[in-house]
Amino acid sequence: EPEVTQTPSHQVTQMGQEVILRCVPISNHLYFYWYRQILGQKVEFLVSFYNNEISEKSEIFDDQFSVERPDGSNFTLKIRSTKLEDSAMYFCASSEAWQGDYEQYFGPGTRLTVT
Amino acid sequence: AQKVTQAQTEISVVEKEDVTLDCVYETRDTTYYLFWYKQPPSGELVFLIRRNSFDEQNEISGRYSWNFQKSTSSFNFTITASQVVDSAVYFCALSEAMDSNYQLIWGAGTKLIIKP
Repeated sequence: EPEVTQTPSHQVTQMGQEVILRCVPISNHLYFYWYRQILGQKVEFLVSFYNNEISEKSEIFDDQFSVERPDGSNFTLKIRSTKLEDSAMYFCASSEAWQGDYEQYFGPGTRLTVT
Repeated sequence: AQKVTQAQTEISVVEKEDVTLDCVYETRDTTYYLFWYKQPPSGELVFLIRRNSFDEQNEISGRYSWNFQKSTSSFNFTITASQVVDSAVYFCALSEAMDSNYQLIWGAGTKLIIKP
C-alpha cells in the first residue's frame, strides 16, 4: 500500500539554525499539507499546497516558514531561524483531491527538537 | 471558539469495558466531514473513519462504532470490549469547505488508558 514518508524521523537543531523537513507524498496525490503537534497538545494545521503554490495557511505559518516542491516527488517544509517553541512533531499529509471526501494520508512525522 | 471539542482529556478503564469518546463540533458549513484518528504511543496518526455531513447513518467496524448526530453536533466513538492495545490518544477532526479549504481542524484529543 502506498504511503507518505518523512525524513528525518528526528531532527535536533540549535536555536537560530535553519531546518528542512522532507516529505515524499503518495505519487498520484495532488494536494499536500503540513501539520504540527507540540508535545502533548493537539494537531494544528500549518499549510496546504497545490499546483506549486500555497492554497491555505494558518496564522502559525509566518515568514520564517516556507514550503516547496523542488522536484516531482519531494515536498519540503523549511524553518529559516528556529526558535525553542518550534519544537514539535511535524506531520506531512497528502490527498488525491482537496474535497473532504478524499482522505488525507499522514506520514509518520518528524520530531524536531530545538535546543 | 473551539470548532472541535473533546471534553474528556483522559479516560481510564479496565480491559473489556466499553468506552465512549465524545466529540462535539461547530460549523456553519452545510457540507463538512468528520474524522477520528488514533495516535498510539509511537506517535503516528492512524486514520479510523471519515463521515460526511449528509450521511448520519451510524457505522460499526468490528469493536469500533460511531454515532453521528447532527441535531446535537456530535460524532461520538465507542470501543466495545476494550483491549490494552486500544490505549492511545484519539483525535476527532473536522473538515469544512467554507473558509478553510478542507484543512483538518483537530480536537484536543482524549487519552485513553486501558488497564489489564
